[in-house]
Amino acid sequence: DVKVTQSSRYLVKRTGEKVFLECVQDMDHENMFWYRQDPGLGLRLIYFSYDVKMKEKGDIPEGYSVSREKKERFSLILESASTNQTSMYLCASRRGDTEAFFGQGTRLTVV
Amino acid sequence: ILNVEQSPQSLHVQEGDSTNFTCSFPSSNFYALHWYRWETAKSPEALFVMTLNGDEKKKGRISATLNTKEGYSYLYIKGSQPEDSATYLCASFGAAGNKLTFGGGTRVLVKP
Repeated sequence: DVKVTQSSRYLVKRTGEKVFLECVQDMDHENMFWYRQDPGLGLRLIYFSYDVKMKEKGDIPEGYSVSREKKERFSLILESASTNQTSMYLCASRRGDTEAFFGQGTRLTVV
Repeated sequence: ILNVEQSPQSLHVQEGDSTNFTCSFPSSNFYALHWYRWETAKSPEALFVMTLNGDEKKKGRISATLNTKEGYSYLYIKGSQPEDSATYLCASFGAAGNKLTFGGGTRVLVKP
């Protein structure tokens, strides 16, 4: 059974904290993605990676960075969390141009 | 930014009725169109991956069509059931790069 696992379902962090969201996939997929989902705005792409140590900005990269040191793991980093980064974060992975597989999501609240 | 738009934003359907909704996308540099179903408290799951103009795909009571020349896809639910209640997302994959861009989703609520 294919699996994309995000490290936390719920997180509460304080403004200014550095926040790490971790995502691990066990399907040997080369492509991994981080999205955020806000009401009425659908899934917006933050960053994606098409290989180890490779990354590309998505549509809303400001305030975020990513790390991909190993093929199975893709980390999203909020350098200094702000309240406007309160959101649902979804990680996904895919091979080539096939369907994407999603993690269960992390609901982040920044207070 | 590749603009993918879905309409309507939400839909209330009586159990047993059929319904459909739309995904529109830029037709230039088109490569593939995905449909996903996202149920509450679960992860989005793929329904269809469509690539060819005129493609029609079916999964149980759900089907989809694709028109790449005019840049739209329809998703149909026949004889809606309460378990069809979910947000349906479409995503377009352009020829440039590996980026999968999603629309805002159509939230479907099927009332018993």
